[in-house]
Amino acid sequence: GAGVSQSPRYKVAKRGQDVALRCDPISGHVSLFWYQQALGQGPEFLTYFQNEAQLDKSGLPSDRFFAERPEGSVSTLKIQRTQQEDSAVYLCASSLVRQATEKLFFGSGTQLSVL
Amino acid sequence: LAKTTQPISMDSYEGQEVNITCSHNNIATNDYITWYQQFPSQGPRFIIQGYKTKVTNEVASLFIPADRKSSTLSLPRVSLSDTAVYYCLVGDAPPRSARQLTFGSGTQLTVLP
Repeated sequence: GAGVSQSPRYKVAKRGQDVALRCDPISGHVSLFWYQQALGQGPEFLTYFQNEAQLDKSGLPSDRFFAERPEGSVSTLKIQRTQQEDSAVYLCASSLVRQATEKLFFGSGTQLSVL
Repeated sequence: LAKTTQPISMDSYEGQEVNITCSHNNIATNDYITWYQQFPSQGPRFIIQGYKTKVTNEVASLFIPADRKSSTLSLPRVSLSDTAVYYCLVGDAPPRSARQLTFGSGTQLTVLP
């Protein structure tokens, strides 16, 4: 596709369930970021990949959050034992070069609602 | 990390020029300034990036004074479709940490008819 694709677009989970959110970056993009955006707030950094290497995961809020990008393209953000405070929009972004201040291309996000 | 401060909201009318200022008092020598736009239910979209003086593209201009402690995003002749949240980011290239790409709360611009 021409842009960053995220799926599902919406996800409703019961508290305690595990969820997996998928990100398809733009083909050939080296860098991939995950952000969490609460209602009315700006995106908060979660984690950063350069190809398949997870170089920064300092933004992951707890050990229930796990991200992977095994082949350096598609990435999955997994949240185990979801809690209500995990409800947010999860955004994925990719960029072409290794410099993170280059232009980021964002997907439309996955809106997660934990009941 | 260079912290940024922006107005929470701004109103304007169609056809006017809008200037949104971002303060970044502790910007580092290697830091660039980048602005993104976000519409509801969409991810942020890159608008413009600069290091010093003035940068212009087809949608906006970015003015950065000599001391680089602030920057101003200028949107000429706004329309209703420019209603969105605008974020100012500061970080270097290559970044010391991907966490430098901090969005903050942004500025909600509302364009009125």
